[in-house]
Amino acid sequence: GAGVSQSPSNKVTEKGKDVELRCDPISGHTALYWYRQSLGQGLEFLIYFQGNSAPDKSGLPSDRFSAERTGGSVSTLTIQRTQQEDSAVYLCASSPRTGRTNEKLFFGSGTQLSVL
Amino acid sequence: GESVGLHLPTLSVQEGDNSIINCAYSNSASDYFIWYKQESGKGPQFIIDIRSNMDKRQGQRVTVLLNKTVKHLSLQIAATQPGDSAVYFCAENTGGYNKLIFGAGTRLAVHP
Repeated sequence: GAGVSQSPSNKVTEKGKDVELRCDPISGHTALYWYRQSLGQGLEFLIYFQGNSAPDKSGLPSDRFSAERTGGSVSTLTIQRTQQEDSAVYLCASSPRTGRTNEKLFFGSGTQLSVL
Repeated sequence: GESVGLHLPTLSVQEGDNSIINCAYSNSASDYFIWYKQESGKGPQFIIDIRSNMDKRQGQRVTVLLNKTVKHLSLQIAATQPGDSAVYFCAENTGGYNKLIFGAGTRLAVHP
């Protein structure tokens, strides 16, 4: 079956522009996560969605970052007024069960964002 | 060890040798741990997991060891193959829902 799909795979933008990154999770997965991976670094948690519950936004680095998840499926991560330090790979992951701990995340291939 | 900046620690091994990748985790309350493999240009792929009530778990060619006393996790890969070349991340679940905290990663380079 299809895995987690992210688009675009690469995005180059100018400093100050807004960008939208899209994630299509695995069908039926109720939990969705966004992580950020800077060059040579580990993954930094950004935001978590679970069903109809309020998302956990505790990892968002500034108010320029926001995310939505429509209809419990597709998610969009928006970065406003991009800065060069926003350059990174943005990874989306989903997991199958409702609010459970101890289950593995399935990752997409990420969007490589480059801010010039 | 953990990396700083752009320089991931690298483990170089010969094809056929066994590899051991180490990870120190941060939270003594963490109850679930995962190893992920990330190849260039791809997202992380699940390798193996272990719960805190275990100290060892084996998969196909891989073994994870957990030492809660010193908060240490290791991944052993038997008979390492060129296809094992990747960056390996450990991750811990610090409780609540499945919010994983990732280590900085170790690059495994397998030489023929």
